[in-house]
Amino acid sequence: QKEVEQDPGPLSVPEGAIVSLNCTYSNSAFQYFMWYRQYSRKGPELLMYTYSSGNKEDGRFTAQVDKSSKYISLFIRDSQPSDSATYLCAMSQDNYGQNFVFGPGTRLSVLP
Amino acid sequence: DSGVTQTPKHLITATGQRVTLRCSPRSGDLSVYWYQQSLDQGLQFLIQYYNGEERAKGNILERFSAQQFPDLHSELNLSSLELGDSALYFCASSANPGPPYEQYFGPGTRLTVT
Repeated sequence: QKEVEQDPGPLSVPEGAIVSLNCTYSNSAFQYFMWYRQYSRKGPELLMYTYSSGNKEDGRFTAQVDKSSKYISLFIRDSQPSDSATYLCAMSQDNYGQNFVFGPGTRLSVLP
Repeated sequence: DSGVTQTPKHLITATGQRVTLRCSPRSGDLSVYWYQQSLDQGLQFLIQYYNGEERAKGNILERFSAQQFPDLHSELNLSSLELGDSALYFCASSANPGPPYEQYFGPGTRLTVT
C-alpha cells in the first residue's frame, strides 16, 4: 500500500461544477497537509495549506482534513476551464519537512 | 513566473554518465528543495537545504548528491546514470524551512538517459 493515495483520474466536469478531489494516507503521524496545482510542463504551485484536522477556505477553494479517517479533500466551487490541471496532495509529519510525501495527483479537466 | 530558475531545461545523456542540475532560488529564500517527478513514481522529495546546510533527506539515491552554495544557489549531481533516472527534476525554494511549506517551484529540468 502506498503511503498516500489519490485517484489519478482523469476527472472531467462541466464549467461551473463543484469538484471534489481526495487523498487517503496511511501514516497517522502526518500533521501538515497541502494541495498543489500543476499545469502541464510546469512546476507545482501551492494552493492550500492546513495544519491538523479541520477546514480552510480560500476563495473558490476549500480544504478539509479528517485525521481520524486519514482522509483529506479539496473542493473547487464554480470550476473554470483554467482550473484544468493536475492536483497533488502533499503531507509532512513535522516542523522540519521530514518525510515530505506527495500523492500521485489527480488530473482534472473542466469543460467549457 | 515563480522566481526560481533552473538550468538546463533539457538534458540528454547516456547511461553511466554524470550530470549537474542547477537551481537559483527566489531572491531572499534560504531554503531549497529538490524533487524528482516520473510517470510511475509521481513527485518524490529528494533533499532539502537551508542556508547552506542539509536539513532533510527523502528518497535520494547514494548516486545522487546535492549542495547549496554561499550565494544560496544549489546543484544536484547525478552520477552513474541509469535509464530509470529519466525524469523531471524540480527545484523549489521557500523563505523558511518549515510550515506553511510555501514552496515556489522552478520550471524543472527534463533529464533523458539513453
